[in-house]
Formats: sequence, structure tokens, C-alpha cells
Amino acid sequence: SQQGEEDPQALSIQEGENATMNCSYKTSINNLQWYRQNSGRGLVHLILIRSNEREKHSGRLRVTLDTSKKSSSLLITASRAADTASYFCATDAKRAAGNKLTFGGGTRVLVKP
Amino acid sequence: NAGVTQTPKFQVLKTGQSMTLQCAQDMNHEYMSWYRQDPGMGLRLIHYSVGAGITDQGEVPNGYNVSRSTTEDFPLRLLSAAPSQTSVYFCASSYSEQGILNYGYTFGSGTRLTVV
Repeated sequence: SQQGEEDPQALSIQEGENATMNCSYKTSINNLQWYRQNSGRGLVHLILIRSNEREKHSGRLRVTLDTSKKSSSLLITASRAADTASYFCATDAKRAAGNKLTFGGGTRVLVKP
Repeated sequence: NAGVTQTPKFQVLKTGQSMTLQCAQDMNHEYMSWYRQDPGMGLRLIHYSVGAGITDQGEVPNGYNVSRSTTEDFPLRLLSAAPSQTSVYFCASSYSEQGILNYGYTFGSGTRLTVV
């Protein structure tokens, strides 16, 4: 089973609106990361938030992390057509040995012009 | 260009054939991994390596072998291809700090594999 699960699975918004997607995970983590994947391409790293951080910003992206609820959210403000992509959260879970990055199923975002 | 290079980009195999997917990175990353992505799904970890000579299994290792003889290269071998291995395969690499992946992954552009 996957460590991270995104919600919603799909999201359709108008250009200029904000897009919010959520990620829930199951075990204690070192950090949580968000990635974007354009159709047919590899994933691109967007932002990493460590377990001792609660909020992080990068340009139009805002990520929050609530370790008590084991959840994170990604907010894209003032969306553009170029933001159309799938977004994945990934967790680096705490383990005794051998860290692994585990991905969720993704949120497909469509930004309509 | 610095990054992760995967070859080939496309491949069609017959059931039972074997092949090796190549992955090379020039960023001196200790950590490398292989994922598969099936339509409409996230990525599932096949195998990973924390450094030259060290490999370990991920979620879905059956039918795949890896080795890490150098820091730069991390090939993935399909031993006897099956239709269930039809997928897009991604290689990724990262720095790690004392085993913690505190840096984002750099992904290759993927290999689209079809097994008929």
C-alpha cells in the first residue's frame, strides 16, 4: 500500500483561481516532498518540507505540514494554464535503515484558460 | 547537460525476453532508485541504492535485478519479461544526509516499455 494518498484525485479550475490538494500519510516521516509531472514526462521536484516545519513557500506554491494529523496540503495560487499537470506527494519515512521515498497516487489538475 | 539519463526511451519486448534499462547520473548523487508508473497511478519503488555496491528492494522487486558498481550508473535488468511489466520506468537520484533524503529527487525522462 502507498504511504501517501492525495485528495482529490482530479481538480478542474479556471485560470487565476487557487488550487488546493491534500496528502495523507501513515507513518512518521523525515520530510514530505511535492512533485509535478507534465503528461508523458518525468517528475519535477517542487518543494520539500521537513518534519519540524509547518509551512513553506516557493513562488506561487505554499505547502503546509501537520504531523499530528499526518497530512500536508499544496496550494497553487493564481493558477495558470501551464500549471496543468499531475501533482504527487512523496514521503521519506523514518526507518531503522534504508530510507525510501514513497509516492502517492497523485492529483490531476486541469487549469482552463 | 547535468542530470539523469535513461536509455532507451521506448522498447517493445516479447514475453520471456530479457533486457537492461540504463540509468546514469553525473551529479555525484549517492542515492539512486527505480520506479515504475502504471497508467493513472503513482510511482512504485522497484529497487534502490544508497551508494556503490549497496542495493535494496522496494515495493515491487520481483522480476527485476539491479547492481551498482559505480556511483554514476544504476542499471535495471528485466530477467524474463512478462506483460505485467508493461509500464513506464523512471530512474531518480538524490543526495542524502546521513541516510535522510533531505533533497529532492532528480528524475530521468523515463523508458516506456511494452511487453507483448
